[in-house]
Amino acid sequence: DADVTQTPRNRITKTGKRIMLECSQTKGHDRMYWYRQDPGLGLRLIYYSFDVKDINKGEISDGYSVSRQAQAKFSLSLESAIPNQTALYFCATSDLRQGSKTQYFGPGTRLLVL
Amino acid sequence: DQQVKQNSPSLSVQEGRISILNCDYTNSMFDYFLWYKKYPAEGPTFLISISSIKDKNEDGRFTVFLNKSAKHLSLHIVPSQPGDSAVYFCAASSEGSNYKLTFGKGTLLTVNP
Repeated sequence: DADVTQTPRNRITKTGKRIMLECSQTKGHDRMYWYRQDPGLGLRLIYYSFDVKDINKGEISDGYSVSRQAQAKFSLSLESAIPNQTALYFCATSDLRQGSKTQYFGPGTRLLVL
Repeated sequence: DQQVKQNSPSLSVQEGRISILNCDYTNSMFDYFLWYKKYPAEGPTFLISISSIKDKNEDGRFTVFLNKSAKHLSLHIVPSQPGDSAVYFCAASSEGSNYKLTFGKGTLLTVNP
């Protein structure tokens, strides 16, 4: 079983709709992240959480919100989707408590906003 | 301002030869560097990392070199295999930023049989 799972894997929605992308991990890591990837732009950080009660904005948080429901779950919401939010979305985890600075990624969600 | 740069969008090499992927950074506070490999329709997969206290780290066919004075790192793959064909991302982090990652834009490596 995958350590980091994302649902859904693909989603098509319309402008103005609210959608939620979910991420779950079985790695026991304390830190979780949401990134988006656009062609030619690499991965950019949207939000991150170092603990259940800790939420921080990344470099491109406008138009997004997150919820850390439990240590293992971190969801990303688009309150009112717009076409330029069409992208690949990745969740990642890490655990500095274990001395690891490496982030481990989920398989991604491909989102299309019409 | 792009702090991590991968100036070659693509690279093509022959099977069995060496692949060299390059990455430059501007933030002198970065102290930990990683390479990720990404296949289409999959998430990035961690490949290899290096701390700023080292100048070389090796793992099988993959070696990462770090030149701190030039703010440059490179990933060497020897020998290259067709299965290495993927997008490679360079990433950097620092203790001051709680080890959040800053990514380059990626280099598409194609290894031809």
